[in-house]
Amino acid sequence: GQNIDQPTEMTATEGAIVQINCTYQTSGFNGLFWYQQHAGEAPTFLSYNVLDGLEEKGRFSSFLSRSKGYSYLLLKELQMKDSASYLCAPLSGAGSYQLTFGKGTKLSVIP
Amino acid sequence: SAVISQKPSRDICQRGTSLTIQCQVDSQVTMMFWYRQQPGQSLTLIATANQGSEATYESGFVIDKFPISRPNLTFSTLTVSNMSPEDSSIYLCSVDGQGAGTDTQYFGPGTRLTVL
Repeated sequence: GQNIDQPTEMTATEGAIVQINCTYQTSGFNGLFWYQQHAGEAPTFLSYNVLDGLEEKGRFSSFLSRSKGYSYLLLKELQMKDSASYLCAPLSGAGSYQLTFGKGTKLSVIP
Repeated sequence: SAVISQKPSRDICQRGTSLTIQCQVDSQVTMMFWYRQQPGQSLTLIATANQGSEATYESGFVIDKFPISRPNLTFSTLTVSNMSPEDSSIYLCSVDGQGAGTDTQYFGPGTRLTVL
């Protein structure tokens, strides 16, 4: 089965850095996605990690440790528009594109 | 990335009726998926829509309740049958990005369904 754990809510200040952690247990592993979802909108793709290490993409970075079943999303220079839910989604099964979503972390950015 | 549209964007339906949701992609894709997102919850995969064969349903979802069509590589429909208020949710289709040269799943804008 799948088990994905991430904090329910976080609050951070505009301009700061925030790290959103995700731990997972999956039957088979084929990479991990992070999605951003603003209230009332569809999820939008942020990052994909399949190898251990840090992937940097502008203000957003994502880290993966497959041996530890752990990932984090790092958001730098926070902006008010970054207030959203952030969904951790491991991809399970060889050759499969089945995503299992965590419950998401609701991030509130305050002035 | 693939451009995905869904119809309708929202609907309010009566208990016992059925609604068919359409998902259109601007490029040919191998895999199309249907998800449900209930209020305040994360996304749950309903089924994988396979072109030329029956959909593959996840545990807790059955074809009689959620029949799916996939007539070609750019289009799919999901029907929510014999609806009850518990079916009130956002329904999203997603596609794998293979047709667009990536392995990422991209999501349509969603269909917000309210059942009275």
